[in-house]
Amino acid sequence: EAGVVQSPRYKIIEKKQPVAFWCNPISGHNTLYWYLQNLGQGPELLIRYENEEAVDDSQLPKDRFSAERLKGVDSTLKIQPAELGDSAVYLCASSLGPSKVGYEQFFGPGTRLTVL
Amino acid sequence: AQSVTQLDSHVSVSEGTPVLLRCNYSSSYSPSLFWYVQHPNKGLQLLLKYTSAATLVKGINGFEAEFKKSETSFHLTKPSAHMSDAAEYFCVVSRDNAGNMLTFGGGTRLMVKP
Repeated sequence: EAGVVQSPRYKIIEKKQPVAFWCNPISGHNTLYWYLQNLGQGPELLIRYENEEAVDDSQLPKDRFSAERLKGVDSTLKIQPAELGDSAVYLCASSLGPSKVGYEQFFGPGTRLTVL
Repeated sequence: AQSVTQLDSHVSVSEGTPVLLRCNYSSSYSPSLFWYVQHPNKGLQLLLKYTSAATLVKGINGFEAEFKKSETSFHLTKPSAHMSDAAEYFCVVSRDNAGNMLTFGGGTRLMVKP
């Protein structure tokens, strides 16, 4: 079974340029997460989708970040314009969905963004 | 609010010796706790999770962790380190009962010397 797929794996851009990251979750996983991981730190949640609905985007900087999950499958995270401080690894994760017990989140390899 | 503190940013052990990665948590209710491992250029992988069942949790690759409520700790251990264990380890607490809202610790880098 294929895991969570992310592309590109690496991206280098000039500041003020736009950038987009793509994520394809594991087939059948209804919940999709985007995380930001700064160097030497643990990941921090940016946004969580249940199917196509963003149910938790409280940590997403909405002035420059946007995300979408059309048709409740693939998702795109966009930054426009990028700033130097956005250099980090952007992780996508997916899980079967919410439950009282809790489903494991499966993580993709991430996209490493460098803003020059 | 829920949070986790990993007490060591780096741990170095020799191959074949025990591993201890320390984690303390803060939670206003009975937490769900996890350990994830991150190998270079690979996705985070779940090692084990505690969800209020047995306090001693066994995970993959010979790792285990013990939930100690009195000490608010969830330390990760392994009897004998292998070279392939070298990686970054994250202690994680869930801010909700469903495991959707994960808060990660700062990570511990485990180095294994031959």
